[in-house]
Amino acid sequence: DTGVSQDPRHKITKRGQNVTFRCDPISEHNRLYWYRQTLGQGPEFLTYFQNEAQLEKSRLLSDRFSAERPKGSFSTLEIQRTEQGDSAMYLCASSPGGQAPFQETQYFGPGTRLLVL
Amino acid sequence: DAKTTQPPSMDCAEGRAANLPCNHSTISGNEYVYWYRQIHSQGPQYIIHGLKNNETNEMASLIITEDRKSSTLILPHATLRDTAVYYCIVRVGPNNDMRFGAGTRLTVKP
Repeated sequence: DTGVSQDPRHKITKRGQNVTFRCDPISEHNRLYWYRQTLGQGPEFLTYFQNEAQLEKSRLLSDRFSAERPKGSFSTLEIQRTEQGDSAMYLCASSPGGQAPFQETQYFGPGTRLLVL
Repeated sequence: DAKTTQPPSMDCAEGRAANLPCNHSTISGNEYVYWYRQIHSQGPQYIIHGLKNNETNEMASLIITEDRKSSTLILPHATLRDTAVYYCIVRVGPNNDMRFGAGTRLTVKP
């Protein structure tokens, strides 16, 4: 399977703990996106990478959130001092990078479902 | 601040065509219309996209009105596995994100 993969698929943690999620994009895709989806809502944009550079961050990405893509391949999203409101599905998507971003199809991974107790 | 309007839910009989409408009355000339769907607990799945012309692929057809203010996604022979939330998205440049609304929950019934 050469699609976007995410790990873990499910994470249960206690409030105040730190969690880290990993996303592996489609091979050779230069652009990588993180979204968050709460129950009953559509996904909401969090941040965007072009290769290793983080080019955009949503106001939803508080100081407790940090994302990296150190070698321009996989990416990690870390949440520090988790709160119950962080419970959501965290989705990763990638796109090739050959056209303007809004002209490119984004391909989504299966998501990581986080539950903060 | 999604730029599209979709009915919250629709039903369709198995084997029949499912026609999902989307209004995007404020769309401008260089904005694409994308359709994704999300089956319960999975990531969104790309279906189709278009700019001006009607498009067809192995999954669906996309009909865009001449004034581009609305579009219809057509699943020609709906199956039970097509039950999902369908999102119509207008891509706005130079933003890089996808602006999802609430979508249409399609239920295919036997």
